[in-house]
Amino acid sequence: EDQVTQSPEALRLQEGESSSLNCSYTVSGLRGLFWYRQDPGKGPEFLFTLYSAGEEKEKERLKATLTKKESFLHITAPKPEDSATYLCARGIREKLTFGTGTRLTIIP
Amino acid sequence: EAGVAQSPRYKIIEKRQSVAFWCNPISGHATLYWYQQILGQGPKLLIQFQNNGVVDDSQLPKDRFSAERLKGVDSTLKIQPAKLEDSAVYLCASSSANGYTFGSGTRLTVV
Repeated sequence: EDQVTQSPEALRLQEGESSSLNCSYTVSGLRGLFWYRQDPGKGPEFLFTLYSAGEEKEKERLKATLTKKESFLHITAPKPEDSATYLCARGIREKLTFGTGTRLTIIP
Repeated sequence: EAGVAQSPRYKIIEKRQSVAFWCNPISGHATLYWYQQILGQGPKLLIQFQNNGVVDDSQLPKDRFSAERLKGVDSTLKIQPAKLEDSAVYLCASSSANGYTFGSGTRLTVV
């Protein structure tokens, strides 16, 4: 069974201070790696899907990368509106196994 | 495109009472999911429907939880009787070839 581990649990950054969030998993194979953003009181919002080691995807200040055992979500020059919990998940046949998330706070 | 609709948004019940949640997926999405998200954790899949048939309910506590999806559209999730540890947000999601869309969830508090 897939195990998905995210680190750190929480991260506080100054506005404009770039950093990375980590997602590691135990089972390799043909599964997608998903990143979601979750704001308080809302459901997860889809950000990226990655399938192959070496694959990268970008959206505004976010870039997701994938290796054989882990994925990174890089945040460049973040703004306060990027504050949220970021969840990663592994998926096979549409079933997702989520990590516990990283709670990101961007301080103005 | 309208999103995934869930109701109610909040529910407070006493332990041993019963409760039901409703979900209306995005029109045309054949696959529907119910996830449980306990505070501080990621969502955990409870049940997956394809049209009105169950694909995966391996993590559904069947002694107290039940779910149905009549006519392959709306779905209800029921808990009877509720326990304190059932306090969580219950998320409904639907999917197409373009991916998942989650609803905003129902926050259940069992006291």
